[in-house]
Amino acid sequence: GENVEQHPSTLSVQEGDSAVIKCTYSDSASNYFPWYKQELGKRPQLIIDIRSNVGEKKDQRIAVTLNKTAKHFSLHITETQPEDSAVYFCAASGAAGNKLTFGGGTRVLVKP
Amino acid sequence: GAVVSQHPSWVICKSGTSVKIECRSLDFQATTMFWYRQFPKQSLMLMATSNEGSKATYEQGVEKDKFLINHASLTLSTLTVTSAHPEDSSFYICSAIVGTYEQYFGPGTRLTVT
Repeated sequence: GENVEQHPSTLSVQEGDSAVIKCTYSDSASNYFPWYKQELGKRPQLIIDIRSNVGEKKDQRIAVTLNKTAKHFSLHITETQPEDSAVYFCAASGAAGNKLTFGGGTRVLVKP
Repeated sequence: GAVVSQHPSWVICKSGTSVKIECRSLDFQATTMFWYRQFPKQSLMLMATSNEGSKATYEQGVEKDKFLINHASLTLSTLTVTSAHPEDSSFYICSAIVGTYEQYFGPGTRLTVT
């Protein structure tokens, strides 16, 4: 089955700096890669996603890049703010309506 | 936007009893829902895929007789933890597919077994 690895497990940045989280996946058939933000005790919230026919997608301060050949994808957060502090999860899915396999999560702390 | 609700938000039960958790899609129909378990400071682990009108598909290592899933309508899936034990204490979260790929999560249910 699919295996998703995520690094780093923790990330501390100064407010205003950029944060980058990287994930690798094992199943070359995976074609959907969402990113979720989870605050303590709350539900994961979809913040951005990318499909395998696209190499990069951006939404304001958040961007995701995908390298299908290398089987890795990354989340980039620019101009970080304290409210960006949370746990971020990457995930991969092989088909429409199919299950997601999650990475281990990255705990991001943005220091004011 | 798509809203997924769960009930209850938290529950405390005694060891040996059963607990039912409901997952509802409020403004859309969900033929497929997923149930996850999340232990403190860990990732989400998929337990099972719930399909409306058919049996759930369980992930390897998940006891189907212990975690009963029923998806009787296009807006409701239930997870029943039978004969709960302290090691079943966890955060249980459901999700539903909206559109083609996007999964939206419920707010989760924190189960504590004493």
